[in-house]
Amino acid sequence: SQTIHQWPATLVQPVGSPLSLECTVEGTSNPNLYWYRQAAGRGLQLLFYSVGIGQISSEVPQNLSASRPQDRQFILSSKKLLLSDSGFYLCCGQFNEKLFFGSGTQLSVL
Amino acid sequence: QKEVEQNSGPLSVPEGAIASLNCTYSDRGSQSFFWYRQYSGKSPELIMSIYSNGDKEDGRFTAQLNKASQYVSLLIRDSQPSDSATYLCAASIQGAQKLVFGQGTRLTINP
Repeated sequence: SQTIHQWPATLVQPVGSPLSLECTVEGTSNPNLYWYRQAAGRGLQLLFYSVGIGQISSEVPQNLSASRPQDRQFILSSKKLLLSDSGFYLCCGQFNEKLFFGSGTQLSVL
Repeated sequence: QKEVEQNSGPLSVPEGAIASLNCTYSDRGSQSFFWYRQYSGKSPELIMSIYSNGDKEDGRFTAQLNKASQYVSLLIRDSQPSDSATYLCAASIQGAQKLVFGQGTRLTINP
């Protein structure tokens, strides 16, 4: 079965610091991969998605970026975090049209 | 902008009753629909998928789809306190390999 690994579970970062969140997938090859963000009490906002190595589609203009250096690896980055980047970040993979989520990273920017 | 709309709630239902959650979507080309359950501080988990008009039952859960009216619903029979969570509705976007999520409905089952 497919498994999405995401870490860390929680992260506290100062404003202006860099960010790197990593997500890896087990149990399948060439999955579609996604980064969503969820602000407190809000719905899921699609940030980036990737259909293959080096292929990134950005949904929302912001100071975040994404990369897919390997088939089963998806990375979310920022050079300088803003207060508004705080939220619950979720990596997910699409298998047979269904999305399955990793355990998420709660990011607090202070 | 393709949208999925849900009543944010909270929706309170007594234990043992039927909980009814509703969702509407704007993209007439949407073909796939999903219900996710999310406990506080946790990631969403898939509970139902539905692709054709009508009802689909899985245990205590029934998903209903009406493409003509562009709505999806989720019924939870014999509601349990453990069903208390936020329920997210999602729809596929025609021509794109992605899902759009609603804001979620917070459901509370009262013992």
